[in-house]
Parts: sequence; C-alpha cells; structure tokens
Amino acid sequence: AAGVIQSPRHLIKEKRETATLKCYPIPRHDTVYWYQQGPGQDPQFLISFYEKMQSDKGSIPDRFSAQQFSDYHSELNMSSLELGDSALYFCASSSGQLMNTEAFFGQGTRLTVV
Amino acid sequence: AQSVTQLDSQVPVFEEAPVELRCNYSSSVSVYLFWYVQYPNQGLQLLLKYLSGSTLVESINGFEAEFNKSQTSFHLRKPSVHISDTAEYFCAVTLDPDSGGGADGLTFGKGTHLIIQP
Repeated sequence: AAGVIQSPRHLIKEKRETATLKCYPIPRHDTVYWYQQGPGQDPQFLISFYEKMQSDKGSIPDRFSAQQFSDYHSELNMSSLELGDSALYFCASSSGQLMNTEAFFGQGTRLTVV
Repeated sequence: AQSVTQLDSQVPVFEEAPVELRCNYSSSVSVYLFWYVQYPNQGLQLLLKYLSGSTLVESINGFEAEFNKSQTSFHLRKPSVHISDTAEYFCAVTLDPDSGGGADGLTFGKGTHLIIQP
C-alpha cells in the first residue's frame, strides 16, 4: 500500500541557507501535519493543513513557512537556517480533518545544518 | 493545553518477560490517546489508540493499553516481549473533536526506550 512519501530523505545545508522539504500524503488523504524531532527528543508539532488551508499552528518558527497544494502535497520552506534546525522532520497525513482517523507518518527528512 | 508525561526514559527488560510503559496525560477536556513506536532511523508507526468505548485497546503484535480516566493514564503493556520490540515508544494525545479538536497536531511524551536483554 502507498505510504507517506517525503523527499529528500537527507539534506545538508549551510547556516543562513534555505531548504525545502516535500511531503506527498497517502492518496485521498486531505490533511497533512509537519513535525520536528530534534536529536533524542520527542516530535514537536509545527503546522497542519486541511483541504489546502492552514488548520493549526504549533511551534513553527517565523523563518519557516508551509503550504498545501491542489494535489494535496505539502512543502515546508525553511529560510535563514540555523544549527539548531538540524533535526528529523516528519510529515503525517490523515483522511479528514479529525485526528481520530489514523495519522500515517512518513520516514522523515533528516536535515543537517553545518 | 494538554501534556503527556512518560516517566521512564529507559526500560530494560529480559526477553519473554512482561513490560509496562507508563504514560500519564493532563487535559481539562476529553482527549484521544495514542501509542507510537519508532525503530532506529525510522518514522513513527501507530501501535494502538483510544478514542472511546472499551477502555482496553489491543494491537496486533501483542501490546495492549488501558485508558484510566480517574488516574489520567494510558499505560502500555505486553505480557512477553521479544528482542524485536526494542524501540522508542511515544505516548501522544490530541483533543477530542467534541472538545474543540480538529486537525490539531499530536502532543507527544518524551518517549521511553524499551531495551530488551537476551
């Protein structure tokens, strides 16, 4: 069965550079969530989208922005990267706006800022 | 706002022994509860969830968790662990839609590293 696809799987950027992470949800899933997991940390919710509209916002820095496109894929744009942005970034998708439906997580994008 | 506490950062246990991973939550309104498992360098996989109804929920690989509203707990148990159960386990919570929840993100606990010793 198709899963949540994230690209790239690994990304190395220098400080002050920009990065774009992509997430392709499971077909027919209309809700996308972004999480950041620092080394040895629990995942922290960043932002979510439902039907291409921002639905909820967590601890997303102002340097980051995200959107969901007409085909429901989502992109997380990160500017002025800092060393502390090095983390595993997960995308999850679900069907419907309610989290009571099962959220499926992607494998994550490991971002390293040097 | 809701929060999740996993008191044990690591739980070592011998193979074939029982295990309990503790999870307590805090919320002023009704919540949904989840356990996720994360194997090294992998994404998060849903183990089981409590939405409503029976307070005891089970997964297909032998884990179970019991929702206890009075103790605000959702402990994860397995009667006999296997070496392949070695992983990080995260308890998570989100608001019940009837309490205003929607596409809210999950709030995770700090995780418990289950270490199976042969």
